[in-house]
Amino acid sequence: GQNIDQPTEMTATEGAIVQINCTYQTSGFNGLFWYQQHAGEAPTFLSYNVLDGLEEKGRFSSFLSRSKGYSYLLLKELQMKDSASYLCAVRDSNYQLIWGAGTKLIIKP
Amino acid sequence: IAGITQAPTSQILAAGRRMTLRCTQDMRHNAMYWYRQDLGLGLRLIHYSNTAGTTGKGEVPDGYSVSRANTDDFPLTLASAVPSQTSVYFCASSLTPGQGHNEQFFGPGTRLTVL
Repeated sequence: GQNIDQPTEMTATEGAIVQINCTYQTSGFNGLFWYQQHAGEAPTFLSYNVLDGLEEKGRFSSFLSRSKGYSYLLLKELQMKDSASYLCAVRDSNYQLIWGAGTKLIIKP
Repeated sequence: IAGITQAPTSQILAAGRRMTLRCTQDMRHNAMYWYRQDLGLGLRLIHYSNTAGTTGKGEVPDGYSVSRANTDDFPLTLASAVPSQTSVYFCASSLTPGQGHNEQFFGPGTRLTVL
């Protein structure tokens, strides 16, 4: 079967750095996405990786290792507004997204 | 309209009733999707449409139907609602369903409760 694993919840301090991991086993791979979802709102796109390595976008970076079936999202200089759920999704061989259950990130002052 | 809209925002429905959730996008995206999101589970694909006139079944299609008569609209119908269909429903769209950086854009969601 297809499976995406992420930690259920993480806590970090304002101004710090946090890394959210995602491991996957899917039928085929055509890219990995990270989305942010604030409580009661829709998911919004953060990053896309299709080749191995690090993609940096401001305070957010995303890393992919296809051979290990592994990705992480790195958030730097955490702000209170970063409190949200972070969703990992893999596009499979049918070009459909398979979603993890999300990681709820709690930021403390 | 700017982006993707859904209606209604929320609904309480008696079991056995028929209900249509509406979704409209003005981005001229070819592909559209319906997901449900339940606590502790990832987004699960119900139905999708890669282009106007075509639809396909996702991971959890039973009890739901869709149509795609034009590019902009993608309604989701529950023919006879059951309590297990209580969920938050998200409609999404993307430029194409294929390769490349074609992220999905999401509507604000419909919170449906079936009693």
